[in-house]
Amino acid sequence: EAQVTQNPRYLITVTGKKLTVTCSQNMNHEYMSWYRQDPGLGLRQIYYSMNVEVTDKGDVPEGYKVSRKEKRNFPLILESPSPNQTSLYFCASSPRSGIATYEQYFGPGTRLTVT
Amino acid sequence: EDQVTQSPEALRLQEGESSSLNCSYTVSGLRGLFWYRQDPGKGPEFLFTLYSAGEEKEKERLKATLTKKESFLHITAPKPEDSATYLCAVQANDYKLSFGAGTTVTVRA
Repeated sequence: EAQVTQNPRYLITVTGKKLTVTCSQNMNHEYMSWYRQDPGLGLRQIYYSMNVEVTDKGDVPEGYKVSRKEKRNFPLILESPSPNQTSLYFCASSPRSGIATYEQYFGPGTRLTVT
Repeated sequence: EDQVTQSPEALRLQEGESSSLNCSYTVSGLRGLFWYRQDPGKGPEFLFTLYSAGEEKEKERLKATLTKKESFLHITAPKPEDSATYLCAVQANDYKLSFGAGTTVTVRA
């Protein structure tokens, strides 16, 4: 089944404790992206990757890191989480980057609480 | 700065009561406008892409239309299973994607 998977689905952690949220897609998509969703603010892009070893900042990159060493995986790293990073996080992938416009396929989400 | 505004924030309908959702946008050159459906606790699910003013797309009870400044998602004779949050997103010429906050639709039997 074609899908985007995220782990963990739920995470409660404390301020300053480094964490990684994994994202994997099995559709051979070139483009991958991370979003956070907060009530009333919609989805905001954190980072995106046009291909392996190519990443770029989205609208709200502060406090986050990413890497793209393999085409299928795009982990999101919070080196020192803070309470304002409590949110619902989504990973997404798209068939192709470049000049074309394609819809994105989203993972099931990771609900993160930082106390 | 690109902006996407969706209205209303919430919409409560009786089964069979048709209605429309609005997505107004300001963007520096539109490459595409997307509609997604999001069920509680799940990721957004792609519905439509519209590329130019005048374009229309349909899927079951949903029809999306596009003008130069806004898009409408029409729900015809909705059923309870159409209850969800509907998200609009625009992609500008610089490939940046901006989402609206969504319209939560509740359809009562």
